[in-house]
Amino acid sequence: DVKVTQSSRYLVKRTGEKVFLECVQDMDHENMFWYRQDPGLGLRLIYFSYDVKMKEKGDIPEGYSVSREKKERFSLILESASTNQTSMYLCASRPHRGSNTEAFFGQGTRLTVV
Amino acid sequence: AQRVTQPEKLLSVFKGAPVELKCNYSYSGSPELFWYVQYSRQRLQLLLRHISRESIKGFTADLNKGETSFHLKKPFAQEEDSAMYYCALSPNTDKLIFGTGTRLQVFP
Repeated sequence: DVKVTQSSRYLVKRTGEKVFLECVQDMDHENMFWYRQDPGLGLRLIYFSYDVKMKEKGDIPEGYSVSREKKERFSLILESASTNQTSMYLCASRPHRGSNTEAFFGQGTRLTVV
Repeated sequence: AQRVTQPEKLLSVFKGAPVELKCNYSYSGSPELFWYVQYSRQRLQLLLRHISRESIKGFTADLNKGETSFHLKKPFAQEEDSAMYYCALSPNTDKLIFGTGTRLQVFP
């Protein structure tokens, strides 16, 4: 079974804090993604990475950065957390396109910024 | 721009009624299209992909390139189908773009 594991289910952080969300996958997938999931807005892509040290901005990258130093790990960083970043964050991994590949998701991290 | 549109936020039906969840996409090339489902308190998971032309849990979806649509259908809804459904597009990259989702409620 493919496993995508996010380090925390729930996080509460203060405004202005630097926040790290970690995601690890065990299937040697090239691609990894960070989305935020908000009611009525669906899943919005923040960043994705198609290889180690490679990244591409998604639709809403402002206020976020990412790090991928190892193939299995993809970190999302909130440089200075704000209340409008309170959300559910989903990590996913996926093999390279070419075979209509399935994405596998983590269980999500619900972040509350107070 | 590459985009996925799901016009309905909520779809409510009674058990045994037909269901159609709409999905339209904007992309000029040959897309990969998927439906993902999220049941209550579970992680998001793949339901079906257009290339497979399969039926999963009684659901089917046909790609209509002329109308740029990929609607999800089931002839007889079951209560256990109640969930959040997302249509997703993979353009000619490894990116995966989701729609806003449709919540399906099936009443007994």
